[in-house]
Amino acid sequence: KAGVTQTPRYLIKTRGQQVTLSCSPISGHRSVSWYQQTPGQGLQFLFEYFSETQRNKGNFPGRFSGRQFSNSRSEMNVSTLELGDSALYLCASSLGYRSATEAFFGQGTRLTVV
Amino acid sequence: AQSVTQLGSHVSVSEGALVLLRCNYSSSVPPYLFWYVQYPNQGLQLLLKYTTGATLVKGINGFEAEFKKSETSFHLTKPSAHMSDAAEYFCAVSDRSGGSYIPTFGRGTSLIVHP
Repeated sequence: KAGVTQTPRYLIKTRGQQVTLSCSPISGHRSVSWYQQTPGQGLQFLFEYFSETQRNKGNFPGRFSGRQFSNSRSEMNVSTLELGDSALYLCASSLGYRSATEAFFGQGTRLTVV
Repeated sequence: AQSVTQLGSHVSVSEGALVLLRCNYSSSVPPYLFWYVQYPNQGLQLLLKYTTGATLVKGINGFEAEFKKSETSFHLTKPSAHMSDAAEYFCAVSDRSGGSYIPTFGRGTSLIVHP
């Protein structure tokens, strides 16, 4: 059974550009969550999607957005990149919404903004 | 609101020694508790979780944790450290906040294992 797949693994972007990250959840999982991990702030929740709808959102500016497709694959987009957006972005999938099942994480996308 | 405190950003042990990583939480309702491990340039892998039932939970790689409600703690232990245990460990708590179980993570503890 394939795990959570995130692409690309590494990205280098310039300030002001935008970027799109992709996440394919485990087959059968319908909930996808996104996290930003930085040395200074640790793991911070970005948003959660279930059945193509954003169910929860963390405390991030509107430059951060996401979406989920009918096959549960998800993308997140960051516009007008800032140096502080450099981070490891982790995607996690779980079976369902409103459940205590654990999240399975992908390997992450390392974004560097220069 | 929920929060997680991991005492010690770094813990150093000798190979073969006891591993103890501390986690305290605050939650308005009985929470679900998790420990995850992260190896360099990797995602997080679940070590163990507590939802209900027995308060001593056994996980993978010889780790276990005990939920102590009176102390609001969920410390992670392993009787004998191995070099391969060197990694970052995250404690997480989730409760039904906002209708979902979005976990809140601690800041992490880096486990260093000396030969």
